[in-house]
Amino acid sequence: NAGVTQTPKFQVLKTGQSMTLQCAQDMNHNSMYWYRQDPGMGLRLIYYSASEGTTDKGEVPNGYNVSRLNKREFSLRLESAAPSQTSVYFCASSESLHGPRTDTQYFGPGTRLTVL
Amino acid sequence: QKEVEQDPGPLSVPEGAIVSLNCTYSNSAFQYFMWYRQYSRKGPELLMYTYSSGNKEDGRFTAQVDKSSKYISLFIRDSQPSDSATYLCAMNPGTASKLTFGTGTRLQVTL
Repeated sequence: NAGVTQTPKFQVLKTGQSMTLQCAQDMNHNSMYWYRQDPGMGLRLIYYSASEGTTDKGEVPNGYNVSRLNKREFSLRLESAAPSQTSVYFCASSESLHGPRTDTQYFGPGTRLTVL
Repeated sequence: QKEVEQDPGPLSVPEGAIVSLNCTYSNSAFQYFMWYRQYSRKGPELLMYTYSSGNKEDGRFTAQVDKSSKYISLFIRDSQPSDSATYLCAMNPGTASKLTFGTGTRLQVTL
């Protein structure tokens, strides 16, 4: 039982390049989330998916797109990376059918992204 | 002003000390309050959550919420070096809305 897995662990991009961050969970959870964590800013929600087939914007969605590929997988895409997107990205999942509520969110190990 | 304020620390205490970690918030709609622990270069993990005001105890950890003061605390008794981590508070109104996180307090428990 791996929980929440993320790939890659590290990535360096040049400004304007694109990439997709992958996330998968094996807990049969309904809801999945993408956060970014920056020094002094805490965790900020980028997008979430309350259930398979639905996605919604979080606090900082600009510059990102997401795909809920199936119940297990939720990917985050940067179409044209900018230095402001340098951050640590966390994927999380929870059992809830209702998005970010009170049930436990389980986090992945993170992807450290640097945009030059 | 941020919705949730948390002192970033670092907070350094000797092994065995009682640790007090705190957050203040401005949104009176928040009803669910959580504490996450994050070890270096790892994802956060939920430690405790409480609903509305009051105390909740789990082993060496006690979470306290004072809604009238918009202030929440996490107490760690008999602190251990393995408690060294960043502690994030998080809260939400309990509806289908996002969790709002504090910036985290880094705790170092020394031998």
